[in-house]
Amino acid sequence: AQKITQTQPGMFVQEKEAVTLDCTYDTSDPSYGLFWYKQPSSGEMIFLIYQGSYDQQNATEGRYSLNFQKARKSANLVISASQLGDSAMYFCAMGLPYNTDKLIFGTGTRLQVFP
Amino acid sequence: DGGITQSPKYLFRKEGQNVTLSCEQNLNHDAMYWYRQDPGQGLRLIYYSQIVNDFQKGDIAEGYSVSREKKESFPLTVTSAQKNPTAFYLCASKTGGAYNEQFFGPGTRLTVL
Repeated sequence: AQKITQTQPGMFVQEKEAVTLDCTYDTSDPSYGLFWYKQPSSGEMIFLIYQGSYDQQNATEGRYSLNFQKARKSANLVISASQLGDSAMYFCAMGLPYNTDKLIFGTGTRLQVFP
Repeated sequence: DGGITQSPKYLFRKEGQNVTLSCEQNLNHDAMYWYRQDPGQGLRLIYYSQIVNDFQKGDIAEGYSVSREKKESFPLTVTSAQKNPTAFYLCASKTGGAYNEQFFGPGTRLTVL
C-alpha cells in the first residue's frame, strides 16, 4: 500500500540557516508525484514544490528545493536561508497515478525558526 | 481574486445534529476534495469529485455526505452518524491532469458540544 512517512515531528533552525525536512514514501508503482505543502497556524495549506517520479533533475522553487533520491524512496525538502515566516507545519504528499487525483499525506513536521 | 472559500471558519454543533460545510471555488477547477485533519495528523480524504454530478468516497467517508450540483460548489454534510466529528476540515480543488497541485481553502474548524 502507498504510504508517506515523516519521522521528524519537530525541527528547530536558526534564521538564515538551511534546514532539511525528511520524507520517505512507499509505492510499487513506477509513476507517482511528490508534493510538499506548508501549513501556517492559520490552517490553510500552501503548495510549495512538486517532483515527478520521472523527472531527471531535482525540483527547485526559490528557497525550496527537493532532494529526490529515487532508489532510497526519499523526497526531502530543503529550505535555504530560513526566515521567521517559515515557522509552520510541513507536509509531504504523494499523488497516485492513473488519474485518480488523490493525495496521500504524511503526518507532518513542525518547523520553528528562531532568531 | 480567484480562490477557494470555506464557510464558516468556526462551527459548533450539538451531538445528533447534521451540519453542512460550504466550499466554493472560482478557479474553474474540475476536481474538488474534502479532507479531515486531526491534531498531530496529516490530512485524510473524505470525498472527492472529478466532475459535476459525480463523486467518490475517500478513505474515511462513513458519516459524511456530499453533492456536486455545480462546478463551483462542493458542500460537505457531517451527519449524526459520524462518531467523532470534531476536527479541522479542508476543501481543495485542482485542474485536470494527474499531478497538478491541489489548491486549498482556509478550512472550517468543527466542534461538537
